[in-house]
Amino acid sequence: GEDVEQSLFLSVREGDSSVINCTYTDSSSTYLYWYKQEPGAGLQLLTYIFSNMDMKQDQRLTVLLNKKDKHLSLRIADTQTGDSAIYFCAELRAGGFKTIFGAGTRLFVKA
Amino acid sequence: DAGVTQSPTHLIKTRGQQVTLRCSPKSGHDTVSWYQQALGQGPQFIFQYYEEEERQRGNFPDRFSGHQFPNYSSELNVNALLLGDSALYLCASSQGTSGRGTGELFFGEGSRLTVL
Repeated sequence: GEDVEQSLFLSVREGDSSVINCTYTDSSSTYLYWYKQEPGAGLQLLTYIFSNMDMKQDQRLTVLLNKKDKHLSLRIADTQTGDSAIYFCAELRAGGFKTIFGAGTRLFVKA
Repeated sequence: DAGVTQSPTHLIKTRGQQVTLRCSPKSGHDTVSWYQQALGQGPQFIFQYYEEEERQRGNFPDRFSGHQFPNYSSELNVNALLLGDSALYLCASSQGTSGRGTGELFFGEGSRLTVL
């Protein structure tokens, strides 16, 4: 189908790790992304992974990609209250013109 | 370095009216994509413009049209507005043709359209 799927809500305590999961749709997508949206703002790229990789680490962020299952995850270590936001999984479809987004996961971080 | 700018930030229209939204891409970017984000939803791809042509289109009716100017800025036009067109309209710019770079999109803060 057309939809990128992700769970809608996640609540964690400050200092814990957060894991946000996503299932994408097109096995030939070249890049997979995680975008972050804070209230009243547009989306901002958090991190990305190229489709020939299975893991990428960037400071507190770890992205895991399972191409066989078309599954993408984002782990945020030592989650802070400032990480509270909506996180969107997205894929760049083959051809390179169209980026498709999931519905977003709202992350709540409790102090 | 100015990022992506959109105008207006908020507007209210009535059913049947027409609206034009504007976008200036980030400096150095030549590609503009438009997205519709309904409340509580993810951005839905409307279309993408490159070299003043519509390069790809999402699943939106012909009431949604656009334009790209020689300076790479873009407009989104929506005719015969429906209540369901109420949403945040996001413009995103990027660089170059497919196969180059990471495809990262740089988003503006959006134009919030309310249709009464």
